[in-house]
Amino acid sequence: KAGVTQTPRYLIKTRGQQVTLSCSPISGHRSVSWYQQTPGQGLQFLFEYFSETQRNKGNFPGRFSGRQFSNSRSEMNVSTLELGDSALYLCASSLGLSGETQYFGPGTRLLVL
Amino acid sequence: AQSVAQPEDQVNVAEGNPLTVKCTYSVSGNPYLFWYVQYPNRGLQFLLKYITGDNLVKGSYGFEAEFNKSQTSFHLKKPSALVSDSALYFCAVRGRSNDYKLSFGAGTTVTVRA
Repeated sequence: KAGVTQTPRYLIKTRGQQVTLSCSPISGHRSVSWYQQTPGQGLQFLFEYFSETQRNKGNFPGRFSGRQFSNSRSEMNVSTLELGDSALYLCASSLGLSGETQYFGPGTRLLVL
Repeated sequence: AQSVAQPEDQVNVAEGNPLTVKCTYSVSGNPYLFWYVQYPNRGLQFLLKYITGDNLVKGSYGFEAEFNKSQTSFHLKKPSALVSDSALYFCAVRGRSNDYKLSFGAGTTVTVRA
């Protein structure tokens, strides 16, 4: 089975722009979660989707949004980019919620200049 | 609220020696517990998890972890470390309600010297 794929892998944007990141889960997985990883803050939870519904949301400003499509693929969007949004954005998929193992993609590295 | 503590930022061991990476957690009720490993410029790789049952969990690449409810700990162990085990290790916890998210510790950098 193919693993979790994320596109693009690398991205450079300038402050004030917006960005959309994409995640394709493992086939058959219905849950997708997003995380932001930075050296200072570590791994921080952004959102979790299951069957196109947002089930959980982390403590991020409204500039961060996401959605999940009927084929379980997910996108996250960051509007009005700030320098502090520079990070590795990780997507993970799982069969379901709660105790199911989350399998991670390689991440999208975003640099905001 | 739930949280994970990895008290050691770094662990250094010699190849062939036992490796232990410590993790304690706080969560309401019984937890789901996970260990992941991250190599440079890569995503996280799943090592093992505790759901229920036997407190000793065996995972990938010779790793194991012991769930200790009274001490709220879930330490990762490997009897004989390899240089290739050098990486960043994350412990994670999740409560049993679907309202809980997966919470990660700050990570422990393991360096195994030849």
